[in-house]
Amino acid sequence: KAGVTQTPRYLIKTRGQQVTLSCSPISGHRSVSWYQQTPGQGLQFLFEYFSETQRNKGNFPGRFSGRQFSNSRSEMNVSTLELGDSALYLCASSSGALSYNEQFFGPGTRLTVL
Amino acid sequence: KNEVEQSPQNLTAQEGEFITINCSYSVGISALHWLQQHPGGGIVSLFMLSSGKKKHGRLIATINIQEKHSSLHITASHPRDSAVYICAVHSGNTPLVFGKGTRLSVIA
Repeated sequence: KAGVTQTPRYLIKTRGQQVTLSCSPISGHRSVSWYQQTPGQGLQFLFEYFSETQRNKGNFPGRFSGRQFSNSRSEMNVSTLELGDSALYLCASSSGALSYNEQFFGPGTRLTVL
Repeated sequence: KNEVEQSPQNLTAQEGEFITINCSYSVGISALHWLQQHPGGGIVSLFMLSSGKKKHGRLIATINIQEKHSSLHITASHPRDSAVYICAVHSGNTPLVFGKGTRLSVIA
């Protein structure tokens, strides 16, 4: 089975721009979660989708949004980028309906905001 | 909200040494995960456990629910074990809460 894939792997944007990141889960997995990792804050939960519905949302401003498609692929969008949005964005998929099933992580998208 | 504390923050070991990384959390959990992150960012799930002990190769994870504490042990450590090890917990059906990680360097 192919693993979780994320595109693009690297991205450079300037302040004020917006960005869309994509995540394709493992085939058959219906849950996708997104995380932000920064040196200062570590790993933080952004949101989780299950069967196209947002099941949980972390404590991030409304500039961060996401969605999941019928094929379980997910996208997250960040609008009006700020320097502090520079981070590694990771997605993870899991097979079950429960949030605490084992999660399989993608390689991440490294976003740099200049 | 669950608070997750890991110790030590940094660890340097000689090849072959037995290594222990600790994780404590503040609120009852549904499951605890041990994750490994190599330079470059990719994260691998090592264990998910809610009770007892699990073993995979040279890695052993234990959890004590009453004491709200888990340990990750690496036997016969090797330089390829050098990575950041992260503990994360679920409480109920809530999202993962992560520890800050333990940076392990194993020197040949």
